[in-house]
Amino acid sequence: GAVVSQHPSWVICKSGTSVKIECRSLDFQATTMFWYRQFPKQSLMLMATSNEGSKATYEQGVEKDKFLINHASLTLSTLTVTSAHPEDSSFYICSARDLLGTRQPQHFGDGTRLSIL
Amino acid sequence: GENVEQHPSTLSVQEGDSAVIKCTYSDSASNYFPWYKQELGKRPQLIIDIRSNVGEKKDQRIAVTLNKTAKHFSLHITETQPEDSAVYFCAARRGEGGKLIFGQGTELSVKP
Repeated sequence: GAVVSQHPSWVICKSGTSVKIECRSLDFQATTMFWYRQFPKQSLMLMATSNEGSKATYEQGVEKDKFLINHASLTLSTLTVTSAHPEDSSFYICSARDLLGTRQPQHFGDGTRLSIL
Repeated sequence: GENVEQHPSTLSVQEGDSAVIKCTYSDSASNYFPWYKQELGKRPQLIIDIRSNVGEKKDQRIAVTLNKTAKHFSLHITETQPEDSAVYFCAARRGEGGKLIFGQGTELSVKP
């Protein structure tokens, strides 16, 4: 079963709205979570690395004031797309790093499809 | 910076044939190379991975080879089936805590 839960799975909202996406690790503690954005027929592009209890590390070209990341607990990271516009429409996927896991070191959520009208 | 190149971008094979997807990486310190299968609108699913201390790994119809000197690794799928049709991504990572850098993806189509 899923070990990383991502909500919501689908969001449609008006331009200018802020949207919050949650990523939870269900049965392990995740000191680090990753946020990716994927446009249609393209690869997963890392947006930022979320570290529990400290500031996120953003990839070059990603606006930290636009994409707010909070990782306040060992099982939850949130991504808030502020004042979203149509160009922010994309598939957003989180993953959580399981340092103790032997099966795979990173577990992905199911993704959130964001559509801005 | 780190970069992973993946080829081909699309691959069409007949059912039962083999499929090979190749990736090259730029960061010589990369030591972990996973392959993911992603169906439309779904999460990437890890199908096989290899670490830098191993040259080849096999799991039933799927195998991965790694050439550290040339900095490239390949995914081999034998006896392909229609349900293998999906987008496949390679990735590379430096160290246990490093971020995954993904290739551009290969859309595999297996025709019955």
